[in-house]
Amino acid sequence: DVKVTQSSRYLVKRTGEKVFLECVQDMDHENMFWYRQDPGLGLRLIYFSYDVKMKEKGDIPEGYSVSREKKERFSLILESASTNQTSMYLCASSGSGANVLTFGAGSRLTVL
Amino acid sequence: AQSVTQPDIHITVSEGASLELRCNYSYGATPYLFWYVQSPGQGLQLLLKYFSGDTLVQGIKGFEAEFKRSQSSFNLRKPSVHWSDAAEYFCAVGAPWVNTGKLIFGQGTTLQVKP
Repeated sequence: DVKVTQSSRYLVKRTGEKVFLECVQDMDHENMFWYRQDPGLGLRLIYFSYDVKMKEKGDIPEGYSVSREKKERFSLILESASTNQTSMYLCASSGSGANVLTFGAGSRLTVL
Repeated sequence: AQSVTQPDIHITVSEGASLELRCNYSYGATPYLFWYVQSPGQGLQLLLKYFSGDTLVQGIKGFEAEFKRSQSSFNLRKPSVHWSDAAEYFCAVGAPWVNTGKLIFGQGTTLQVKP
């Protein structure tokens, strides 16, 4: 079965800390995405990547960066976490020529 | 601007009753259309999708959705709701000419099911 795994389900960090959220997919998908989910706002795209070492900004990239060194892994980085980055972060992937996203279970980040 | 609107933030229905969740979109052309469901503590799962052809599409768990071009709508329906359907539902659109999976999501509708 197709799988997207987010290694950290719950994280608590302090303001100013550097935070890494990791996502791994086992489907050999070209495209990977990081979304942020907040109540009443739905899902908003932070960054996506359509190939190794390639990345594109989504709708809300400020305060975030990403890394894709291997096809199966897509990392979201918060260089200096702030309280307004407290949220649920969802990773997803899709194959080339397909528009169907497969999501991970999410990483809930709390920044104190 | 491209956008997706789910007018109902929260809906409560009785178990066994019918359900309709609304979705309206604003897009330059007919997009690809999706409904996803998110159970508590879980990621999103695809319920159904519309790319082209028959405007009534069937999905998993007994759900269906109807694409109405004239109304720019893609409403989700189920004839008889089960308690396990309580979840958050998201409508999404994607550009048919760019097959990257980059989607725009609505705000979500939370479904509560009364016994």
